[in-house]
Amino acid sequence: SQQGEEDPQALSIQEGENATMNCSYKTSINNLQWYRQNSGRGLVHLILIRSNEREKHSGRLRVTLDTSKKSSSLLITASRAADTASYFCATRGDDKIIFGKGTRLHILP
Amino acid sequence: GAVVSQHPSRVICKSGTSVKIECRSLDFQATTMFWYRQFPKQSLMLMATSNEGSKATYEQGVEKDKFLINHASLTLSTLTVTSAHPEDSSFYICSARGGTSPSEQYFGPGTRLTVT
Repeated sequence: SQQGEEDPQALSIQEGENATMNCSYKTSINNLQWYRQNSGRGLVHLILIRSNEREKHSGRLRVTLDTSKKSSSLLITASRAADTASYFCATRGDDKIIFGKGTRLHILP
Repeated sequence: GAVVSQHPSRVICKSGTSVKIECRSLDFQATTMFWYRQFPKQSLMLMATSNEGSKATYEQGVEKDKFLINHASLTLSTLTVTSAHPEDSSFYICSARGGTSPSEQYFGPGTRLTVT
């Protein structure tokens, strides 16, 4: 079963611009994580935000979590060509991690 | 950090044959392992959860007789795709939880299965 819904499904922006991706989920969670996946490759863990946190930063990444709206956003500032990838939110509820549908981000030179 | 490996990274098999994928936790004991499947340009779908020494718990819609999961030790889980068909071609990713951070879940690099 799939819990998260990312928005948008695909996003193309110019290098240097900021990229914002959103994720909505349906049930109660313990934490929410964001992962990156380059084409045909494995997952890279980006950041984890706990249910009692509202915002978290890591380098050029900023994640927000609104548990009342059951939504999260991932902001990548000053995008680079290497940021081109698919981004997934993943929620951990009871005992397993469920992934959203993902956003395919393409950074234009 | 905790490392999860998968073998093979890529496999091609003929339709009707069975193929086994291994998932190993290299530096920790994995009490729970998870298997995900990812079709091209889609997300990861959880297939099953397995605890060491117990039968796997399959997600709805996943055929347990087709996707055999064995978690015989604390460092190894195997997924066997039986009587593979071209529609089973996919990217299979395992994940493991355990060790000194039992709440953390670590992902393997994935196995690309192509059934011809």
